[in-house]
Amino acid sequence: QKEVEQDPGPLSVPEGAIVSLNCTYSNSAFQYFMWYRQYSRKGPELLMYTYSSGNKEDGRFTAQVDKSSKYISLFIRDSQPSDSATYLCAMNNAGNMLTFGGGTRLMVKP
Amino acid sequence: EAGVAQSPRYKIIEKRQSVAFWCNPISGHATLYWYQQILGQGPKLLIQFQNNGVVDDSQLPKDRFSAERLKGVDSTLKIQPAKLEDSAVYLCASSLVGRGLVSGYTFGSGTRLTVV
Repeated sequence: QKEVEQDPGPLSVPEGAIVSLNCTYSNSAFQYFMWYRQYSRKGPELLMYTYSSGNKEDGRFTAQVDKSSKYISLFIRDSQPSDSATYLCAMNNAGNMLTFGGGTRLMVKP
Repeated sequence: EAGVAQSPRYKIIEKRQSVAFWCNPISGHATLYWYQQILGQGPKLLIQFQNNGVVDDSQLPKDRFSAERLKGVDSTLKIQPAKLEDSAVYLCASSLVGRGLVSGYTFGSGTRLTVV
């Protein structure tokens, strides 16, 4: 079993839809949770990070962490075609090494 | 600020050949990482440097992979000899000391390696 599981998709939605992306994990030592967006043939770029449980909002993006369920989510409101990319969750404990999920490919159709 | 620079962007080699990748991190970033991203998977850490020193290389296949960071700035990753399963994108990332933990890294665009 992988430490971080993520549905690979692809997830296809119409423009304007609310998108929900999720990851589950098995290592209860993880404390920091991040979401990266990766466009084709580009490196991942950090979208949001959260520490421990709770919600964090940044514009159209909301990150949620539920440590009791070992489950994290990223919500995208009013999705745009420019949001089409692969979304990677990542997490770590006290060290600097990030453990990534496999990524979910999102396609937002105009 | 300038991003993380990597070269070459693409490389095709035959198995058993050697190859090297180069990375120039963001100025002032003491921590540098090399990740391997196989198609359809998330990045996997190969090695982490802080300045000149290696912090973590536990997942680096040391029989064929090597990496160095000269003068705490640029870094090279070498594979010798390459195997078919080394086909992947090799990503370099950098962060300020202690900031990778909470604010993530800045990644380069990667080098796409195809071993035939």
